[in-house]
Amino acid sequence: DTGVSQDPRHKITKRGQNVTFRCDPISEHNRLYWYRQTLGQGPEFLTYFQNEAQLEKSRLLSDRFSAERPKGSFSTLEIQRTEQGDSAMYLCASSSTIDREGMNTEAFFGQGTRLTVV
Amino acid sequence: ELKVEQNPLFLSMQEGKNYTIYCNYSTTSDRLYWYRQDPGKSLESLFVLLSNGAVKQEGRLMASLDTKARLSTLHITAAVHDLSATYFCAARDYQLIWGAGTKLIIKP
Repeated sequence: DTGVSQDPRHKITKRGQNVTFRCDPISEHNRLYWYRQTLGQGPEFLTYFQNEAQLEKSRLLSDRFSAERPKGSFSTLEIQRTEQGDSAMYLCASSSTIDREGMNTEAFFGQGTRLTVV
Repeated sequence: ELKVEQNPLFLSMQEGKNYTIYCNYSTTSDRLYWYRQDPGKSLESLFVLLSNGAVKQEGRLMASLDTKARLSTLHITAAVHDLSATYFCAARDYQLIWGAGTKLIIKP
C-alpha cells in the first residue's frame, strides 16, 4: 500500500494524558499536512511541513500541540495534557512539490486517527 | 482571508434526480478541489480545477470553476445511492481552506 498511513486508527485517553500520533506520507511527497476534523465540520488546518521544515502552524493551535518531521519522511503529532475538546479525527495528508504554476498540487489523505478524550 | 462557503449543507434526494452543490470562495484562488468523505472514513480526492472555465467529469459527477464569480459547482446527474456521502470543496491559500461540507443522502 503506497498511500498515506496513520497510526493508531483509534485512541481513547484520559483527560490530562499525552498522546502521540504518527503519519507516514506517500514516499515521493515532500509536503505533509495535519488537519483536525470534528463531526459535521470540514477539516481544520493545524500545520504543515515541507521536507523536515515546519513552514506554517495555525494560530489557533494551542501550545499543547506539537508536530515534528525529523527526517523529512514520517511525522508525529503530540498533544500534551489532553482535554475533552481535543476529541476529534486527526487527518494527515501529503502532496508533492509545487508545480510550474507555483501552486501546490493535490493532497492525499490518510485514514485518520480518531481521538476520544474521556 | 480566504473563506469558503458551501450550500446546501444537507441534501436529500431521490435516485435518478439531478442536483448541484455550490462552493463560493471569498478571495482569489485559481485552484479548487472537491473531495468526498464517507462516514467514519478519510477524504477521497475527486477533482482538481486549475483555471477559469475548467470542467471535469467523472461518471455522474461534473465539476466546474468560474474564477471571476469565485464559484465552483459540483453537478450530480441521475443520482444513485452509492453517491451518498459528504462532499467538500476546498480552495487554496497557502494551505487548503475547506467548506463545511454538503451531506448528500440519495434515497433508493
